Amino acid sequence: SQTIHQWPATLVQPVGSPLSLECTVEGTSNPNLYWYRQAAGRGLQLLFYSVGIGQISSEVPQNLSASRPQDRQFILSSKKLLLSDSGFYLCAWGRTGKLKGTDTQYFGPGTRLTVL
Amino acid sequence: KNQVEQSPQSLIILEGKNCTLQCNYTVSPFSNLRWYKQDTGRGPVSLTIMTFSENTKSNGRYTATLDADTKQSSLHITASQLSDSASYICVVSFHQGGKLIFGQGTELSVKP
Repeated sequence: SQTIHQWPATLVQPVGSPLSLECTVEGTSNPNLYWYRQAAGRGLQLLFYSVGIGQISSEVPQNLSASRPQDRQFILSSKKLLLSDSGFYLCAWGRTGKLKGTDTQYFGPGTRLTVL
Repeated sequence: KNQVEQSPQSLIILEGKNCTLQCNYTVSPFSNLRWYKQDTGRGPVSLTIMTFSENTKSNGRYTATLDADTKQSSLHITASQLSDSASYICVVSFHQGGKLIFGQGTELSVKP
């Protein structure tokens, strides 16, 4: 069976410090990978998605970047955190189904980031 | 503009009662609609997924309906339990294998 891991679970960082969040998937190959942010009281916002190693698409202009150094590893980074980067970060994996409408996404446990 | 709107924003019910959550969307072209359950501090977990040709899908005490003509979906929870307390998120995909449009969620609280 497939599993998705994220770490750390919680993180408190000062403004201006760097960030690195890691996500790994087990039990599948060549998944689509996604990074989402969920601000308090708001819906999920797609930040980045990747369909393969080294292939990153950014959805919104921001202070963050993503990388996919291995097939099942997805990293979210920042060189200098802003207060507005606080939120709940979720990694997800999925794949395009052979039948229309069968694609789905499976979410990791999330990382709670607080920037002070 | 592709949007997903959910109502109510929050809901409190007594254990054992039924409830219905609503989702309206303006996403086109439509691929599928999902309902997710998100416990506090956890990642969302998929409950149901429906394509435009399906009008109902059940998962235990959860039953989702879809009216593709009016672009409305509902999630009905039967005989609620305390563990049903969570945020329920409606998510619409507007092309196959692509990006998802998330609703803001309905915060459900089940009281004893």
